[in-house]
Amino acid sequence: KAGVTQTPRYLIKTRGQQVTLSCSPISGHRSVSWYQQTPGQGLQFLFEYFSETQRNKGNFPGRFSGRQFSNSRSEMNVSTLELGDSALYLCASSLDSRGRETQYFGPGTRLLVL
Amino acid sequence: DAKTTQPNSMESNEEEPVHLPCNHSTISGTDYIHWYRQLPSQGPEYVIHGLTSNVNNRMASLAIAEDRKSSTLILHRATLRDAAVYYCILRDVRPYGGSQGNLIFGKGTKLSVKP
Repeated sequence: KAGVTQTPRYLIKTRGQQVTLSCSPISGHRSVSWYQQTPGQGLQFLFEYFSETQRNKGNFPGRFSGRQFSNSRSEMNVSTLELGDSALYLCASSLDSRGRETQYFGPGTRLLVL
Repeated sequence: DAKTTQPNSMESNEEEPVHLPCNHSTISGTDYIHWYRQLPSQGPEYVIHGLTSNVNNRMASLAIAEDRKSSTLILHRATLRDAAVYYCILRDVRPYGGSQGNLIFGKGTKLSVKP
């Protein structure tokens, strides 16, 4: 079974631009979660989608948004990029959104904002 | 979700056992103890989880204290590939009112393995 894939793997943007990151979950997984990882704040939860509905959201500004498609693929968007948005963005998939399910992470997208 | 406490860093020699501790004094009866690790330049990966009894799998063993207020992840023979940040995470598995789908990561323990 193929693992979680994320595209692109690396991205350079400038302040004020917007960016869209993509995540393809493991086949059969319906839950997709997004995390931001920075050296200062560590791994922080952004949001989680299950069956095209946002189930849970972390403490991030409204510039961060996401969506999930009927095939469970997910995208996250960051508008009006700031320097502090430079980070590794990780996507994780699981069978469902209950706390018992193992999460499987992708390799991440490394975003650099100049 | 209840909070966990781990040492910031630990060192080990290759091919020796490693015991990574985790304190979770506020654990509730429905909290499972999960361990994930993150190798350099990779996303986190699941290692092991347990509720009350000790658990073994091909990657590691999990020893859980009788009062469940602490646990220890055991790598029986550390290899250079085991150098990673190890995260101990509690997840409430009640169908209603339990953990949501996301994981709450702390700072974890950075394990260094010396050849």
